[in-house]
Amino acid sequence: NAGVTQTPKFRILKIGQSMTLQCTQDMNHNYMYWYRQDPGMGLKLIYYSVGAGITDKGEVPNGYNVSRSTTEDFPLRLELAAPSQTSVYFCASSYALRETQYFGPGTRLLVL
Amino acid sequence: EDKVVQSPLSLVVHEGDTVTLNCSYEVTNFRSLLWYKQEKKAPTFLFMLTSSGIEKKSGRLSSILDKKELFSILNITATQTGDSAIYLCAFPSRGDSNYQLIWGAGTKLIIKP
Repeated sequence: NAGVTQTPKFRILKIGQSMTLQCTQDMNHNYMYWYRQDPGMGLKLIYYSVGAGITDKGEVPNGYNVSRSTTEDFPLRLELAAPSQTSVYFCASSYALRETQYFGPGTRLLVL
Repeated sequence: EDKVVQSPLSLVVHEGDTVTLNCSYEVTNFRSLLWYKQEKKAPTFLFMLTSSGIEKKSGRLSSILDKKELFSILNITATQTGDSAIYLCAFPSRGDSNYQLIWGAGTKLIIKP
């Protein structure tokens, strides 16, 4: 039982490049989330999903896109990277909204 | 077992009143405590507290942490109907593998005009 896994662990992007952050969970959770955490700040929700095929915006969705074609996977896409997207990105999952959320190890992204 | 308890569970006040919401916790390896506001959808971040006795402030909202007594309060002054929401505290906890976010049950705040 791996829980929530994320790849890559670290990435450097140039301004304007695109990339996809991968997230997979094997706990059969319906709810999945993408957060970003800037230094000294709490988690800010980017997007979340309540099940396969259903996604919704969080607090800070601009510049990002998500899809949820399966229960297990919830990739986050950055289309045109900007320096403001330099952050640590966490994927999480839970059985229900506001139940304990289980996090992946995070992806550290640097946009230069 | 790590846990967080919020009180009261619900609160109804009139516009202009001041409210204080409580969050007490038992955490084996405390790192931070987070406050969120939830209106209709997923929670939105308000504050992160890591140090005892330092007040975080944002407009009419403020929060403080007491690490000795293991609680935090969220204060809202001059309440408005737009403050009606569920207020949640949460803390990160290290689970079997990775990090977990443990949520309190929340305080449902209703502001009457």
